[in-house]
Amino acid sequence: ETGVTQTPRHLVMGMTNKKSLKCEQHLGHNAMYWYKQSAKKPLELMFVYNFKEQTENNSVPSRFSPECPNSSHLFLHLHTLQPEDSALYLCASSRGRQETQYFGPGTRLLVL
Amino acid sequence: GESVGLHLPTLSVQEGDNSIINCAYSNSASDYFIWYKQESGKGPQFIIDIRSNMDKRQGQRVTVLLNKTVKHLSLQIAATQPGDSAVYFCAENTMVRYGGSQGNLIFGKGTKLSVKP
Repeated sequence: ETGVTQTPRHLVMGMTNKKSLKCEQHLGHNAMYWYKQSAKKPLELMFVYNFKEQTENNSVPSRFSPECPNSSHLFLHLHTLQPEDSALYLCASSRGRQETQYFGPGTRLLVL
Repeated sequence: GESVGLHLPTLSVQEGDNSIINCAYSNSASDYFIWYKQESGKGPQFIIDIRSNMDKRQGQRVTVLLNKTVKHLSLQIAATQPGDSAVYFCAENTMVRYGGSQGNLIFGKGTKLSVKP
């Protein structure tokens, strides 16, 4: 295992629901990331946190709201999602912003 | 814009043969490259990396070659095994600030490697 865990592993939600994805890293890293992986597309960077501070928001719609309470935990709050938001959401962490990123197993999200 | 791409979307090899997966990049400022392996139902797994001051790096059964002249990266897997079946991504990173972005990985679409027994 990579030392990065994500819960839940699978999630089905309606467009009016509110849910949260959780990521935890046990590697002592300082940077954490959210990526979206859709079929037949490259991984898309969504958000970056470095030392708990958000440093990147890659033009992500406001229906996705990240939260980083400490360097080990990262959340992605979801509300009023669209079916096209169905994808694999991956969390990653790295010791520094320019070092190797290690990924969690992802949350497979289906929006109905 | 700058991007990382792959020459082939799929690659099928016989068990025991060597595999070569290719990757082209267009950002001349990229100076750090990583190969990831993603098995079905799992997140990307780090395989090997290389910095731009090197042209070759070897790991266990894997070798990464970097040709900065033609902006080409390859991953060689020796004696390919069924467990190597996965999607392989290359990613580039810029250690220096470029176009306002620093330290973000840019991924290619991936090559699916299938190993025939």
